[in-house]
Amino acid sequence: SQQGEEDPQALSIQEGENATMNCSYKTSINNLQWYRQNSGRGLVHLILIRSNEREKHSGRLRVTLDTSKKSSSLLITASRAADTASYFCATRAYSNYQLIWGAGTKLIIKP
Amino acid sequence: NAGVTQTPKFQVLKTGQSMTLQCAQDMNHEYMSWYRQDPGMGLRLIHYSVGAGITDQGEVPNGYNVSRSTTEDFPLRLLSAAPSQTSVYFCASSYQGEDTEAFFGQGTRLTVV
Repeated sequence: SQQGEEDPQALSIQEGENATMNCSYKTSINNLQWYRQNSGRGLVHLILIRSNEREKHSGRLRVTLDTSKKSSSLLITASRAADTASYFCATRAYSNYQLIWGAGTKLIIKP
Repeated sequence: NAGVTQTPKFQVLKTGQSMTLQCAQDMNHEYMSWYRQDPGMGLRLIHYSVGAGITDQGEVPNGYNVSRSTTEDFPLRLLSAAPSQTSVYFCASSYQGEDTEAFFGQGTRLTVV
């Protein structure tokens, strides 16, 4: 069963603009992670935010977490053509090591 | 750094055939898992293992078998392929623990005709 729901399903922006994608989940979590998947490739870990954190930065990435609303957002600033990919959120519960995945947001950066 | 290696990258099977998807990791990770990815859906967990000799079912285990005889290898067996098993399969590994990231192989694109 899917835990996370990403929004929007697809996003197309001009190079240099900021891209924001959202993730909502259903149950209590230990942490939430964001991954990137380039076309035809495996997933690559981007950033992890713990349930007791509200915001985290890594380079051009900014992640926020609102546990009261069970939602997270991923902001990519100053987008580049190389950011074109699908982005997935995954949540980890307290009870086990399994990651539960959303369906992803497909991001297209237009040159 | 090899990381997580999956073979083959592409495979076409006839309905009823069996085959094994291979997965190997060289990071000494305890936790390994198999997912399938279908269009418009997130990853769905098929089977996972928390160490050599220990495996368990995930969300969609029917039609698949796994074993974990070594820390490095975690093969996925399709017992009798069905068109519904047409998908992209990913193997992933990670250290045990709450704040760990998963490392993925490049995937196997399987078509069952």
